[in-house]
Amino acid sequence: AQSVTQPDIHITVSEGASLELRCNYSYGATPYLFWYVQSPGQGLQLLLKYFSGDTLVQGIKGFEAEFKRSQSSFNLRKPSVHWSDAAEYFCVGKANTGTASKLTFGTGTRLQVTL
Amino acid sequence: GAVVSQHPSWVICKSGTSVKIECRSLDFQATTMFWYRQFPKQSLMLMATSNEGSKATYEQGVEKDKFLINHASLTLSTLTVTSAHPEDSSFYICSANHIAKNIQYFGAGTRLSVL
Repeated sequence: AQSVTQPDIHITVSEGASLELRCNYSYGATPYLFWYVQSPGQGLQLLLKYFSGDTLVQGIKGFEAEFKRSQSSFNLRKPSVHWSDAAEYFCVGKANTGTASKLTFGTGTRLQVTL
Repeated sequence: GAVVSQHPSWVICKSGTSVKIECRSLDFQATTMFWYRQFPKQSLMLMATSNEGSKATYEQGVEKDKFLINHASLTLSTLTVTSAHPEDSSFYICSANHIAKNIQYFGAGTRLSVL
């Protein structure tokens, strides 16, 4: 069965510190992978995506993620966190079979930023 | 580009009444849209897949007679919560599938409170 796992439910980092949010996937074939961010009471905003090619992908707001096939991981990173980054982050997978296939969501990681 | 508008953002209704939520893709056509439900501090749960010009596909456990979905055009899908009850109170989020980009773009969500 297809699944996406985010091991960390809640992470707290200090402003200016580096950040890494973990994500592992389980698919029969390499899926398409996404990171979305959700601010309180709002919908989801796409941070970045991986379809194929370069395994280090750059996104918006200074985020990047690295696809590692050997570890079935797609961790999100940011070198220096800002207070405005406090939000819920979802790692999302999609089977690479058809453009309208369903998304599989991780459980989310809530990021808290201390000043 | 790739904006999805969801309306209303917040609605309060009396028990037993019906509520309609609209989801529009503003600058692209979407033959497929999705409706999700999100409980507090949880991930998104897919309710149904909305296909333009055909019947929606509901996920297991979702009552199709309670959650009516209509996708009458390439830019509009509606979700009607019929005979709403307090247990239907939740955050409902739609997404539209951008075929060319192979990405789902999300609306900002609708918070439904049933009194």
